[in-house]
Amino acid sequence: DTAVSQTPKYLVTQMGNDKSIKCEQNLGHDTMYWYKQDSKKFLKIMFSYNNKELIINETVPNRFSPKSPDKAHLNLHINSLELGDSAVYFCASRSQETQYFGPGTRLLVL
Amino acid sequence: GNSVTQMEGPVTLSEEAFLTINCTYTATGYPSLFWYVQYPGEGLQLLLKATKADDKGSNKGFEATYRKETTSFHLEKGSVQVSDSAVYFCALSDVQGGSEKLVFGKGTKLTVNP
Repeated sequence: DTAVSQTPKYLVTQMGNDKSIKCEQNLGHDTMYWYKQDSKKFLKIMFSYNNKELIINETVPNRFSPKSPDKAHLNLHINSLELGDSAVYFCASRSQETQYFGPGTRLLVL
Repeated sequence: GNSVTQMEGPVTLSEEAFLTINCTYTATGYPSLFWYVQYPGEGLQLLLKATKADDKGSNKGFEATYRKETTSFHLEKGSVQVSDSAVYFCALSDVQGGSEKLVFGKGTKLTVNP
């Protein structure tokens, strides 16, 4: 039933590790996004994909690599995790002007 | 670039009080404007939106009017409930390279006490 789902919900890991976050939407939307929400709740776009093609890359470090195997999925792989990567990562998909957000993945880097 | 400024919180109100959260924007052209709400531990949900000047968005007793002359989109509710406690984000749509993204304000945390 969930429109936009993300896994895992929580992720605790050590500095230097590589981790992935998965996102799936069952809404049939063509456009998907990744947003980062920092500890002060500020939300900023990271990437946008349209039908598996990268459209927006907001000067995110190369350690972050999104991948879209099909238009219903947009995964985020992070290499060499740093303390500053600790945040909540939200996936979203868009229909017309409305974006639908997933529940978020809370990443803590120790 | 386009940006959104909203009043800093936190805001604490008693149940049935009147709520206003101010939001102003800077944009080229006429973006669509949104209010999203984030309940504790959850993702963001669209609360309301307005796509052109003088449009009023409304939902669940909340209202906001797109004011081009003052570049504002203030959120109001006449009588808040404890269940309205959440973080509220004002946002505008920004088209970049043919794709649309949302630009958010910093969020305003609202706590409603019984």
